[in-house]
Amino acid sequence: AQSVAQPEDQVNVAEGNPLTVKCTYSVSGNPYLFWYVQYPNRGLQFLLKYITGDNLVKGSYGFEAEFNKSQTSFHLKKPSALVSDSALYFCAVRSYLGSSYKLIFGSGTRLLVRP
Amino acid sequence: EAGVVQSPRYKIIEKKQPVAFWCNPISGHNTLYWYLQNLGQGPELLIRYENEEAVDDSQLPKDRFSAERLKGVDSTLKIQPAELGDSAVYLCASSVPGQGAGTGELFFGEGSRLTVL
Repeated sequence: AQSVAQPEDQVNVAEGNPLTVKCTYSVSGNPYLFWYVQYPNRGLQFLLKYITGDNLVKGSYGFEAEFNKSQTSFHLKKPSALVSDSALYFCAVRSYLGSSYKLIFGSGTRLLVRP
Repeated sequence: EAGVVQSPRYKIIEKKQPVAFWCNPISGHNTLYWYLQNLGQGPELLIRYENEEAVDDSQLPKDRFSAERLKGVDSTLKIQPAELGDSAVYLCASSVPGQGAGTGELFFGEGSRLTVL
């Protein structure tokens, strides 16, 4: 079965420092991987995706993610964190079941950027 | 452009009472999803619609949950009767034709938070 794991419940980083939010996946076949962000009292927002091609994917708000097939990882990164990046981040994988696709989400990682 | 609209944002009910949540997707989005998000967990798909047809409802507990999407636009998710374990956030999402879970770009509403006492 397709799944993703986010090993850290929370990541703390100082503003201006680089940040990494970890995600590992387990899929059969080629993975379709995604990152979503959830700000307080807001819906989830799509950040970026990996379908195929370059292992470094760029997304919204200056975020990027690195796909590593040998380590089955898809870590979210940003060179310089902002306080406004504080939010809940979800990694997701596309799963094909029966006759349709769905997204399977990880448990989420709370990012706290301190001033 | 208006986003996905959900109501109510918050609902508190006694167990065994019924409750309904409403979702209005982004105009032109023919795919609609209902997800359940328990505290501290990621969203889990309950049901997916393509227009008015439910194409994936395998995770919907059909003994107490029901959903409909009349005319292929708005959708309603109902729980009857509600149980304590149903306390969670119910998320609605939509996507454009040809995308969505195929390419991962779903647009989510702000969710409806249910508390069952």
